[in-house]
Formats: sequence, structure tokens, C-alpha cells
Amino acid sequence: RKEVEQDPGPFNVPEGATVAFNCTYSNSASQSFFWYRQDCRKEPKLLMSVYSSGNEDGRFTAQLNRASQYISLLIRDSKLSDSATYLCVVNRPLLVTTDSWGKLQFGAGTQVVVTP
Amino acid sequence: DAGITQSPRHKVTETGTPVTLRCHQTENHRYMYWYRQDPGHGLRLIHYSYGVKDTDKGEVSDGYSVSRSKTEDFLLTLESATSSQTSVYFCAISLNRGNNEQFFGPGTRLTVL
Repeated sequence: RKEVEQDPGPFNVPEGATVAFNCTYSNSASQSFFWYRQDCRKEPKLLMSVYSSGNEDGRFTAQLNRASQYISLLIRDSKLSDSATYLCVVNRPLLVTTDSWGKLQFGAGTQVVVTP
Repeated sequence: DAGITQSPRHKVTETGTPVTLRCHQTENHRYMYWYRQDPGHGLRLIHYSYGVKDTDKGEVSDGYSVSRSKTEDFLLTLESATSSQTSVYFCAISLNRGNNEQFFGPGTRLTVL
């Protein structure tokens, strides 16, 4: 089983609509959570960190459910420019002192296609 | 912009040849990472570095080595390239904010024939 699992999509969304998708993670000791956005043939870019209380950044809302071990991303009022692959990323902590920051585990991504 | 560059950006090589990819950063970040990305997989960690001359293996390190002789440069070497190493390679740095936010270079697209 993969440590981070995502529905690959594609999610086809009319412009102006709302789309939401989840990812699940398997390591209950995970401490930090992120959504990255990746455009075709480009590098992943940090979209937002995900906090326990949930957080919002403009049209984007992220939620974390530790009990059920999933993270969600909601995009409101979708724009054509929101078309991308969204990567769910979880920081897995490590016990060795040389690497106190842990290691990121990446989902394979959820593709979103916003159509006119 | 975390000031990360990668070179070359594209490379085609033949099976059995050595290949070195370079990651360069301008902001003195301590932690640097090499990942590969393949269809159907998330980014997978190859090697990482937590300081000059301090490196460690990631989950897919076989066939790869790294070196970090200066803070700003992290080199990834494929000792003898194989077709299974055809991939997109990303370098990343961590801003050490405690939650391990990472920022990525533009990537190197490597094809091994």
C-alpha cells in the first residue's frame, strides 16, 4: 500500500464551479501536510500547508482529518488557470538526529481540468 | 523563488555511460534533496544532504551516488546509466521551518537509450 494515495482523476470542472478531492495517508505519526501544484512538465510548487484547524487561501481551502488520516483540498470559483495536477504531500518524521526534518512522501497527484 | 537551478535541463545518453546532474542554490540552505518523478508514481527520494559532505540515501538510491563539496552545489551521478533511470529529476531545498516545506528546481529530463 502506498503511504499517500490520491484519486488520479481527471476531475473535469466547468469554469466557476467548485471541486474538491481528498488524499489518504497511512503513517499516523505524520506531522506536516501540504498541497503542491504541478503544471505539465514543470516543477511542483507549494500551494499551501495544511493545518489541523483547516486553512483557507483565497479560493483554496484545505482540511486535515487526523482521526481518519485524510487531507482535502477544495477549489471554489474555478479558473482555467487552476488546471494542473495537485500533489498531496505528507512529512514523515524520522528518529535519527541527523535528519530532524523528516522526509516528504508524495502522492501521485490528482489531475484537475477546468473547462470554459 | 528559492534560487535553485539545475543543469543540464535535458539530456539524452546511452546505456552504460556515466551521467552527472547538478543542482545549484544561491541562498545557503543546509538541506538539499534529489527526487525522481515517473508516471503513476509520486516523487521519490533518491538521496539527500544535510550539510557539506553529509549525505544519506533515500528510498530509491540504487545506481545513484551524490556529492556535496560546497553548500551551494549538490551533484547526482548515475554511475552507469540504465533505461530504467529515464526520468525527470528534481532537486529541492528545505527552508528548515520545522515542517520541512521544500522548494524545487526546474527539473532535468533524462533519457537513457
